[in-house]
Amino acid sequence: SAVISQKPSRDICQRGTSLTIQCQVDSQVTMMFWYRQQPGQSLTLIATANQGSEATYESGFVIDKFPISRPNLTFSTLTVSNMSPEDSSIYLCSAYTGTLNTEAFFGQGTRLTVV
Amino acid sequence: QQPVQSPQAVILREGEDAVINCSSSKALYSVHWYRQKHGEAPVFLMILLKGGEQKGHEKISASFNEKKQQSSLYLTASQLSYSGTYFCGTEISTGNNRKLIWGLGTSLAVNP
Repeated sequence: SAVISQKPSRDICQRGTSLTIQCQVDSQVTMMFWYRQQPGQSLTLIATANQGSEATYESGFVIDKFPISRPNLTFSTLTVSNMSPEDSSIYLCSAYTGTLNTEAFFGQGTRLTVV
Repeated sequence: QQPVQSPQAVILREGEDAVINCSSSKALYSVHWYRQKHGEAPVFLMILLKGGEQKGHEKISASFNEKKQQSSLYLTASQLSYSGTYFCGTEISTGNNRKLIWGLGTSLAVNP
């Protein structure tokens, strides 16, 4: 199993500023993902964080708005740039080995409010 | 590609049973089931990989049909602790990119 430490757990930010969210996994994992979740709604995949290369973004998400780093197999960051109130949401990181019959693990989430 | 979950919401009395379905128009590589309580991270329940597979965990079990296009989660004799949102997810591959995508979730409320 893996334990993911995600921080900050919550933040209130001014519009136009940027926030960087960090995820640290206690073991090496093949894949890390970043999701956005509105309260009461599903997990929307923002991007796959690729170790040593550019992240793979889903439709509707771009690197300039959500730059992602993954310098090694245990750590990743997501930056929410030039924030607006529409960016208020919960952001979750997830780690997945991709090995058959293994689960994905989630961080505790970052509750972001943009004012 | 996103799996379709039904129903969207269920309200039960303690002790009642429920079934949550997850379906796709194409065969799924695998099905992951998770439960998420309000303000918390999703928690793993089980994974099914093979057509015809069934798995159980206490009073929660799941099945995966032979064509791997539908999975059902069975909640038996529900407890208050079963309340939360249930998500099914599946792994998909596009080229060299593998990812997990999730259904829209089923909200389950168990009342005394």
